[in-house]
Amino acid sequence: AQSVTQPDIHITVSEGASLELRCNYSYGATPYLFWYVQSPGQGLQLLLKYFSGDTLVQGIKGFEAEFKRSQSSFNLRKPSVHWSDAAEYFCAVGLRGSQGNLIFGKGTKLSVKP
Amino acid sequence: GAGVSQSPRYKVAKRGQDVALRCDPISGHVSLFWYQQALGQGPEFLTYFQNEAQLDKSGLPSDRFFAERPEGSVSTLKIQRTQQEDSAVYLCASSTDRGGSPLHFGNGTRLTVT
Repeated sequence: AQSVTQPDIHITVSEGASLELRCNYSYGATPYLFWYVQSPGQGLQLLLKYFSGDTLVQGIKGFEAEFKRSQSSFNLRKPSVHWSDAAEYFCAVGLRGSQGNLIFGKGTKLSVKP
Repeated sequence: GAGVSQSPRYKVAKRGQDVALRCDPISGHVSLFWYQQALGQGPEFLTYFQNEAQLDKSGLPSDRFFAERPEGSVSTLKIQRTQQEDSAVYLCASSTDRGGSPLHFGNGTRLTVT
């Protein structure tokens, strides 16, 4: 069965430090890959997406993610975290050729220390 | 407005009551999705519409859940005879009719069943 794993439930980093959030997926073929961010009481905002081509994708707010087919991973990175980045981050996959649903991971909550 | 609008933002229902949750998608978006997000979890797919046609309802947890989009725009998610396990945030999302199009989420309706 298809699944998305975000192994870290909660991460705390200092402001200005680098960040990497992990995401692994289990899928029969290369899916579409997404990272979303959710602030408390808000809906999900798309940070970036991977469809094909260059495996390093740039997103909004200075985030980037790298697709590694051999590791079935799509980790999210940011070189310098800002206090406003504190939120919950969700990795999601969608099946190619389908207009259907996304499968989300359980999320990683990011806290930022001053 | 420019985004996906959901109402009400909060709904408290007594066990056994029926509720109706409304979603106004982005104008022109053909696809509409409903997701359920339990506390501390990622969103889980409920159902998908393409225009007025409900093409996938595989995620609806029981026959107490019913969704409609009669004119291909506004959608309503109805839950009959609510149970405590229905307490969650219900997220609506819309997208264009292109494979892999990113979803644009509303802020959700938080349903609490007492």
